[in-house]
Amino acid sequence: DAGVTQSPTHLIKTRGQHVTLRCSPISGHKSVSWYQQVLGQGPQFIFQYYEKEERGRGNFPDRFSARQFPNYSSELNVNALLLGDSALYLCASRGEGYNYEQYFGPGTRLTVT
Amino acid sequence: RKEVEQDPGPFNVPEGATVAFNCTYSNSASQSFFWYRQDCRKEPKLLMSVYSSGNEDGRFTAQLNRASQYISLLIRDSKLSDSATYLCVVNVPSNQFYFGTGTSLTVIP
Repeated sequence: DAGVTQSPTHLIKTRGQHVTLRCSPISGHKSVSWYQQVLGQGPQFIFQYYEKEERGRGNFPDRFSARQFPNYSSELNVNALLLGDSALYLCASRGEGYNYEQYFGPGTRLTVT
Repeated sequence: RKEVEQDPGPFNVPEGATVAFNCTYSNSASQSFFWYRQDCRKEPKLLMSVYSSGNEDGRFTAQLNRASQYISLLIRDSKLSDSATYLCVVNVPSNQFYFGTGTSLTVIP
C-alpha cells in the first residue's frame, strides 16, 4: 500500500504570492493533519481535518487555510506569502482508533524569495 | 511556556552505549504520547507510542510519568544507524499535536 503522498516536492514562490500544497493520506485513513517545520525546529501543528471537517487548528494566521475532499485528500493554502513561510510542510494521516498514531508524507519544501 | 520541551543536545555517544532522552509536557490533560525519529531533510517516522505502563521494542524503551509530566526514551546498544533527531510528541484534547524541538543523536564508531 502507498504511504502518504504530497505534491509538489519542492516549490519556489515570491513574496505576496499564494501557494496550494496537496496531500493524499494512506488508504483507509480519514484524518489528515498539516505541519510546518522550519530548520532546527520540530514540526508546528497547523490544521487537522477529519471527515472533511476541521477538528483542530494551531496558532497560525488566517493566511493559512485548508480543506479536505470526499476522498480524504487535502489541500493547504497559504496566501500573501512571507519570507518566514519558507519551511518544510508536512502532511500526516491517521487511522481510526484511540492511539492517534500519525504517519507523515515526505513533505513539500517551500522557499519564498 | 512551551507545550513540549526537549534537550536539543547534541548527544554524541560511542557505538554500544546506552543513551536516554527526556521530554516534559505542560498540559496535564494530554492524552497520547509518541517518539518519532527524523533523519536529515526527511519526514518524521513513528518510532513508538508511549504507554503508561512503559513499553519496549527491541533496543528501545519508552516510559511515561504522568505525575511528573515527562516521557523518556532509552536506546541500548547504540548503532551507527541510530544517528538521527528524536522528537517527542504529545496529543492534547483540542486535537492538537505538539512536537518538541528534537534531540540530535550521533553514534560514533
